[in-house]
Amino acid sequence: SQQGEEDPQALSIQEGENATMNCSYKTSINNLQWYRQNSGRGLVHLILIRSNEREKHSGRLRVTLDTSKKSSSLLITASRAADTASYFCATDAGSNYKLTFGKGTLLTVNP
Amino acid sequence: DVKVTQSSRYLVKRTGEKVFLECVQDMDHENMFWYRQDPGLGLRLIYFSYDVKMKEKGDIPEGYSVSREKKERFSLILESASTNQTSMYLCASITTGGGRNTIYFGEGSWLTVV
Repeated sequence: SQQGEEDPQALSIQEGENATMNCSYKTSINNLQWYRQNSGRGLVHLILIRSNEREKHSGRLRVTLDTSKKSSSLLITASRAADTASYFCATDAGSNYKLTFGKGTLLTVNP
Repeated sequence: DVKVTQSSRYLVKRTGEKVFLECVQDMDHENMFWYRQDPGLGLRLIYFSYDVKMKEKGDIPEGYSVSREKKERFSLILESASTNQTSMYLCASITTGGGRNTIYFGEGSWLTVV
């Protein structure tokens, strides 16, 4: 079953603009992660935020987590054409380190 | 850097054939996973393994089996391939150091069953 659901499904912006993607989930989590996937390739880990954290930064990435609303957002600032990819959130709710992924947001950054 | 290697990037198989998808990781991770990815459905977990010879079903195990004879290798087996198993298959392994579970993915195997 899908735990995380990303919103929007697709997002198209101009280079230099900020891109915001959202993720909602249903059950309590240990942590939430964001991954990136270039077309036809494997997923690459971007950032992890623990359930007791509210905000985290990594370079041009900013992730927030609101456990009361069971939601997270990923902000990419000053986007570049190379940021064009699909972005997935993944939640870790139980044991065995099993992550459940959402369906992803396709981000297109136009030069 | 962690490396997860899927031996086949593109395969075309006939209906009814037995298919092996191989995955090797070089970081001594206990946990390994097989996902399939389909448009509009995201990633769905097929099977995972948390130790040699140990396996557990994921969300969509029907039509698949797995083998983990050595720690570094996790194989996905389609006993009798069907057209609805045409998909991209992703292998992954996980590090749990420092309380973090970060998955490392292979590049994916595109399987077409005709």
